[in-house]
Amino acid sequence: DIQMTQSPSSLSASVGDRVTITCRASQSISSYLNWYQQKPGKAPKLLIYAASSLQSGVPSRFSGSGSGTDFTLTISSLQPEDFATYYCQQSYITPWTFGQGTKVDVK
Amino acid sequence: QVQLQESGPGLVKPSQTLSLTCTVSGGSISSGTYYWSWIRQPAGKGLEWIGRIYTSGSTNYNPSLKSRVTISVDTSKNQVSLKLSSVTAADTAVYYCARDIGYQLSSYYHYCMDVWGQGTTVTVSS
Repeated sequence: DIQMTQSPSSLSASVGDRVTITCRASQSISSYLNWYQQKPGKAPKLLIYAASSLQSGVPSRFSGSGSGTDFTLTISSLQPEDFATYYCQQSYITPWTFGQGTKVDVK
Repeated sequence: QVQLQESGPGLVKPSQTLSLTCTVSGGSISSGTYYWSWIRQPAGKGLEWIGRIYTSGSTNYNPSLKSRVTISVDTSKNQVSLKLSSVTAADTAVYYCARDIGYQLSSYYHYCMDVWGQGTTVTVSS
């Protein structure tokens, strides 16, 4: 299985901050990388697919980049509704695997 | 707008079989380049992909669960089902179904899970 490792596991930030979350794959996955946001008690929500494509309806402050083994999710200006846990997921080969998650909370 | 709803027993005894159903509304389960996935999440932990099925019946399973998992589809009812046998306390989790959609980019399909059910909590306990 492909292992996905996110860093950091948690971070504290303020509204308006630029936030960057990193995801590393244990082998090259080209651009087969997705990002999800999950709030407590809710299902995950797709933000970014294919490493950098913004899912319809997702605010443009979210962006993704990277290819191969190293990927980044950036929130350009953190909003109150963005405090949540973020997961990366590879879709290069089954079994799909997720990173362990990055919790973004209030500083 | 497609919506997914998981249903099934919230409590299952150890060694028994967990059975869940995902009902798709607002669209046909057979339309488009869709697989239908099951994912689970133990309380306070991360996400684990269980497996997926195409409407033709083709499946992919997580090897860690493959010996115990069966995913099936009933197109007449617009439903996908999950069966997990010989459950233990380690199978206690919130179980989600999700649409696994393929976006074609540069001649390749990039799959992602774009629509999720709200999830259903399953506890394994005697």
